[in-house]
Amino acid sequence: GESVGLHLPTLSVQEGDNSIINCAYSNSASDYFIWYKQESGKGPQFIIDIRSNMDKRQGQRVTVLLNKTVKHLSLQIAATQPGDSAVYFCAENFNNAGNMLTFGGGTRLMVKP
Amino acid sequence: NAGVTQTPKFRVLKTGQSMTLLCAQDMNHEYMYWYRQDPGMGLRLIHYSVGEGTTAKGEVPDGYNVSRLKKQNFLLGLESAAPSQTSVYFCASSPGRGHSTDTQYFGPGTRLTVL
Repeated sequence: GESVGLHLPTLSVQEGDNSIINCAYSNSASDYFIWYKQESGKGPQFIIDIRSNMDKRQGQRVTVLLNKTVKHLSLQIAATQPGDSAVYFCAENFNNAGNMLTFGGGTRLMVKP
Repeated sequence: NAGVTQTPKFRVLKTGQSMTLLCAQDMNHEYMYWYRQDPGMGLRLIHYSVGEGTTAKGEVPDGYNVSRLKKQNFLLGLESAAPSQTSVYFCASSPGRGHSTDTQYFGPGTRLTVL
């Protein structure tokens, strides 16, 4: 498959450990945030979202934390598995007319067996 | 329910040639988008549509045109391809304003190489 990003920051974790991927967003007016996972050769896949009236949301093995004070978003993956290896993007939406998203540059997660 | 599909998956063009990328969604979504993804650049919005018959420019619209003649289809055209348009192109759709989610759902991508 194609390389999603040759110069992405990389997080390497041991299988079974927890992973934390961070994202700094740009617009203090943003009211909706999404985390996407992108495997090599595939399109971005929705993981979890959160609105600005919340500071934490949990899914299956994933948790998103939102700190609006410092405009910071994080994705926590519990018990990381080899299948979690991918590039992770955060995206923000500031209630614009077309629901347009602004994407971060991405972080590559590598899970060591 | 196939979600968002894109054709073709791969294409090689010569400089100056034209082509159209097709995106289709079967989720009855109002909004559709075209992005390009380059190494280290993340996803950048080219054009988008908030409904049948409407289109609008995104972040990097130059050199591209779009059409949304049917709600389920969103076409991206390159009239005169340039090497700078070598990229992976992704289509996405979302339900639209007034729905419970603003999430965008992505297709599998089209890898375009312009020689």
